[in-house]
Amino acid sequence: DIQMTQSPSSLSASVGDRVTITCQASQDISIFLNWYQQKAGKAPKLLINDASNLETGVPSRFSGSGSGTDFIFTISSLQPEDFATYYCQQYDNLPLTFGGGTKVEI
Amino acid sequence: QVQLVQSGTEVKKPGASVKVSCQVSGHTLTELSTHWVRQAPGTGLEWMGGFDPENGQTIYAQKFQGRVTMTEDTSTETAYMELSSLRSEDTAIYYCATDNGSSLRTFYFWGQGTLVTVSS
Repeated sequence: DIQMTQSPSSLSASVGDRVTITCQASQDISIFLNWYQQKAGKAPKLLINDASNLETGVPSRFSGSGSGTDFIFTISSLQPEDFATYYCQQYDNLPLTFGGGTKVEI
Repeated sequence: QVQLVQSGTEVKKPGASVKVSCQVSGHTLTELSTHWVRQAPGTGLEWMGGFDPENGQTIYAQKFQGRVTMTEDTSTETAYMELSSLRSEDTAIYYCATDNGSSLRTFYFWGQGTLVTVSS
């Protein structure tokens, strides 16, 4: 199984801050990586697929980069509605696996 | 727009089985690949299995092999996930999620989640 190591597991930030989350795969997954946002009590929401492709309707302050084993998710200017938990997910191989999540708190 | 509506909260005793449903609207179930993801309290997301078009079959995570069955009823556009031999560690929110019919293994649409509590 491909292990996805996400860091940090939590972070505290303020509105307007730049936030960076990393996700490392245990083997090369090319660009087959997604990023999801999950707010408390809600289902996750797909933000980015293919490592850097922003989904329709997702604000441009969100971005993703990377390939191979190392990936970065960035929020350029944190907004109040961005406080949530973020997960990476690889889809290169089965079983599909998620990172442990990063909780972005005030 | 695709919508997934799941069945309601379940409380089960250890050793019992649970069957969660996920009704799809806005798209044909056969044109989507449905997966199941669970989330234990305070923890992250765990893929349980789903239909994989590249394999042409439903694939289960090894952890759940022998205990989980995922089926579809195309006449009612409903997907089901049945988990047997329940134990306390199976207490979780269970989500159905689908791709968009073209980008495989990516969860574009999600149900609202079904809380399953396993307790004696």
